[in-house]
Amino acid sequence: GQQLNQSPQSMFIQEGEDVSMNCTSSSIFNTWLWYKQDPGEGPVLLIALYKAGELTSNGRLTAQFGITRKDSFLNISASIPSDVGIYFCAGQWLSGGGADGLTFGKGTHLIIQP
Amino acid sequence: NAGVTQTPKFQVLKTGQSMTLQCAQDMNHEYMSWYRQDPGMGLRLIHYSVGAGITDQGEVPNGYNVSRSTTEDFPLRLLSAAPSQTSVYFCASRFDTEAFFGQGTRLTVV
Repeated sequence: GQQLNQSPQSMFIQEGEDVSMNCTSSSIFNTWLWYKQDPGEGPVLLIALYKAGELTSNGRLTAQFGITRKDSFLNISASIPSDVGIYFCAGQWLSGGGADGLTFGKGTHLIIQP
Repeated sequence: NAGVTQTPKFQVLKTGQSMTLQCAQDMNHEYMSWYRQDPGMGLRLIHYSVGAGITDQGEVPNGYNVSRSTTEDFPLRLLSAAPSQTSVYFCASRFDTEAFFGQGTRLTVV
C-alpha cells in the first residue's frame, strides 16, 4: 500500500524560531493535507493542497505541494507556544471507489522550549 | 455545529469483553472511517465506509467489526477485547478531500 515518510519525528525548538517539516511518498498523490493534533483532541485540518507546485499559506503556516506530486512540506514561521502538538501530513489519491483514499504520515511532534 | 461526535471518551475493558464505540456525524458526509492511533505509529485505518450499507476493511481490521445502516452513524465493535487493542480511536467523516475527526476514544484493555 501507499506509505508516507514524515520527518522529522520530533522537533525541540525555541519560541520565535521557524519550523519546517516534510513528507515524501513513493507514490503520486492528487491531494496533500496537513493536520494538527492538540493533546487529547482529534486532528484538525490546517491546509489542503490540490495541484502540483501549489503554495498555500494560512497565517504563519505555509505548505507546498511538490511538483513531482510525491512530496509536500509545511513551514511555521515565528513559532508560539500554542503551536505545540503533533502535525500530520496526509496524501489522497482518487481511487475511483473501493478505498478510503487517505494515507497519513506518522507525525511530527513539535515541542517549544521557553 | 456538532461535527463528528464520538462516545465514550474513555473506556476500560477486561480482556474478552465486547463493546461498541459510537460515532455520529451531522454533516451528511458519505465517507466515514475509523482509525487507531498508537505511539510512533501515526493513524492507521481500521475500517471505512463510502456510504450507507457499504463498508470495507482498512489496514488493521482484525478484531473489529463495523456497520453503516445510516449516513449519520458508523459504530465500531470490538468482539473480544485484547490488550493489543489498547489505543486511542478516532472516527472521521469527509466529503471529497477534507476529513473531520472526532475527539477520540481512549480505550484500555486490561
